[in-house]
Amino acid sequence: DIQMTQSPASLSASVGDRVTISCRASRGISNYVAWLQQKPGKAPKSLIYGASSLQSGVPSKFSGSGSGTDFTLTISSLQPEDFATYYCQQYNSYPITFGQGTRLEIK
Amino acid sequence: QVQLVESGGGVVQPGKSLRLSCAASGFTFSNHAMHWVRQAPGKGLEWVAVISFDGGNQYYADSVKGRFTISRDDSKNTLYLQMNSLRAEDTAVYHCVREVVYLANIWFDPWGQGTLVTVSS
Repeated sequence: DIQMTQSPASLSASVGDRVTISCRASRGISNYVAWLQQKPGKAPKSLIYGASSLQSGVPSKFSGSGSGTDFTLTISSLQPEDFATYYCQQYNSYPITFGQGTRLEIK
Repeated sequence: QVQLVESGGGVVQPGKSLRLSCAASGFTFSNHAMHWVRQAPGKGLEWVAVISFDGGNQYYADSVKGRFTISRDDSKNTLYLQMNSLRAEDTAVYHCVREVVYLANIWFDPWGQGTLVTVSS
């Protein structure tokens, strides 16, 4: 199975900040990575697929990069609605696996 | 609009069975692979199973293989998860998810709101 190691587990930031979340795959997975956002009590929402392609309707403040084993999600100009938990996900092979999640909190 | 609504969750004793359902609407159900993803209370996301668009292929997480069965009824636009020999560690919110394919990529959209399964004596 491909393990997705996500860091940090939690992150405190202020409104207006730019933050980066990392995800490392246990072996090369090309660009078969998605990023999801989950707010408390809600179902996850897809933000990015193919490591860097933004889902329709997702603001350009979200960006993804990486290939192979190392991937990042960057969120610029944080707004109150961006404080949530973020997950990376690999779909290179079954079983599909998720990172442990990064909880982004307001400082 | 595209919608997935799960049902069938509840409290069940260890070793017992439960069947979850997911009613799909707003899209051509038979064109999409469908997944179950679960989330234990306060924990992260765990992929459970997938069934191909034509029902011909299924894959499972090792943690549920041999105990859970994913199936679909395209005439009813409904996805199922038969869960047998339930364990305490199966306690979670179970989400039904549509797979969207574009070129070589997939993503999960939408996610149902989920149904809570609690395994406890």
